[in-house]
Amino acid sequence: GENVEQHPSTLSVQEGDSAVIKCTYSDSASNYFPWYKQELGKGPQLIIDIRSNVGEKKDQRIAVTLNKTAKHFSLHITETQPEDSAVYFCAASINSNYQLIWGAGTKLIIKP
Amino acid sequence: NAGVTQTPKFRVLKTGQSMTLLCAQDMNHEYMYWYRQDPGMGLRLIHYSVGEGTTAKGEVPDGYNVSRLKKQNFLLGLESAAPSQTSVYFCASSLQGFLHFGAGTRLSVL
Repeated sequence: GENVEQHPSTLSVQEGDSAVIKCTYSDSASNYFPWYKQELGKGPQLIIDIRSNVGEKKDQRIAVTLNKTAKHFSLHITETQPEDSAVYFCAASINSNYQLIWGAGTKLIIKP
Repeated sequence: NAGVTQTPKFRVLKTGQSMTLLCAQDMNHEYMYWYRQDPGMGLRLIHYSVGEGTTAKGEVPDGYNVSRLKKQNFLLGLESAAPSQTSVYFCASSLQGFLHFGAGTRLSVL
């Protein structure tokens, strides 16, 4: 079955710098790749997603890139701010029911 | 519009006890899901439903049962709780893959 690996598990960056989180997936049939942000004590919230027919998608300071050949996708956050501190999860899906397989999460710490 | 509401927020059980976690959504979504979240393991799908009256197993269904008698509600049951079921449980509903999560239920089994 599908397996999603996420790195790093913890990322600490200076406020204003960029942060990059990477995920790899195993099943080449995967066609949907969302990123979720989870703040302390809350459920995950979708921040951006990409489908396999697109190589890159951007939404203000957040962007996601997809390399289907290498089977990896990345989340890029530019000009980081304190409110970006959270746990970020990547996921991949291979069927129409959108059953997601999740990465283990990355704790992003923004240093003032 | 409350979104996805989970009750209770916290619960402590003794081994062997049973309980039901309730999830309610007011967005008229067809798909609903129960996940468990454990440290360092991300989210794992327990059971899901693609519509009223339907349920299906996810990655880790053993020890859990679910019911979807009404479109807006998805219940997760533990018949005989075990310490391995200590976790944070999240319910979600979705429309075309965009998952909306509840705030979670923190369950401890002693």
